[in-house]
Amino acid sequence: GAVVSQHPSRVICKSGTSVKIECRSLDFQATTMFWYRQFPKQSLMLMATSNEGSKATYEQGVEKDKFLINHASLTLSTLTVTSAHPEDSSFYICSASSGQAYNSPLHFGNGTRLTVT
Amino acid sequence: GENVEQHPSTLSVQEGDSAVIKCTYSDSASNYFPWYKQELGKRPQLIIDIRSNVGEKKDQRIAVTLNKTAKHFSLHITETQPEDSAVYFCAASGGGSQGNLIFGKGTKLSVKP
Repeated sequence: GAVVSQHPSRVICKSGTSVKIECRSLDFQATTMFWYRQFPKQSLMLMATSNEGSKATYEQGVEKDKFLINHASLTLSTLTVTSAHPEDSSFYICSASSGQAYNSPLHFGNGTRLTVT
Repeated sequence: GENVEQHPSTLSVQEGDSAVIKCTYSDSASNYFPWYKQELGKRPQLIIDIRSNVGEKKDQRIAVTLNKTAKHFSLHITETQPEDSAVYFCAASGGGSQGNLIFGKGTKLSVKP
């Protein structure tokens, strides 16, 4: 089945530094990937939609200059948390669709647990 | 925009009993409704989904029903097992775009042996 690989699974960084998270579709091409944030015991909140070869579309309230998204190829999207602060500590998950239809199932990465100290 | 309400937030059942989780949505344009199971610290996994042209779908012990008129859909798990214990999220496609899924707040299901 469709596999989405996300790295790293865990990262601890100091306040003020930047962290890059990678999301790869291993056995399919994903024109569009999605980035979510999940706080403990809460639901997934869509942060942005990443489109290959174009700028990402950010949801309201998400700072595009803080959460940089790059979708350089059909199999790779990256999320960079710039100048991270403790309040950015969260679980970040990417997803991608393996189908062409707009309502094809989404496949999620394993997520990245970010802790900013 | 789309708003998805999910109930209950926690659900505890005895092994072998049935569990039902309900969701309502607000955008009548939504036409795709997946359900995800998320174990602690892991990624959400799609367990079943339904499209608006179907009223019910079943896959072994799991079934989903959709009432477009009332704008609600439900997940039914029969013969629950301890391994069914997890957080379940419903979602609805916002504005007809599958990628723009709006998730419910989740239901923590505990199945007691």
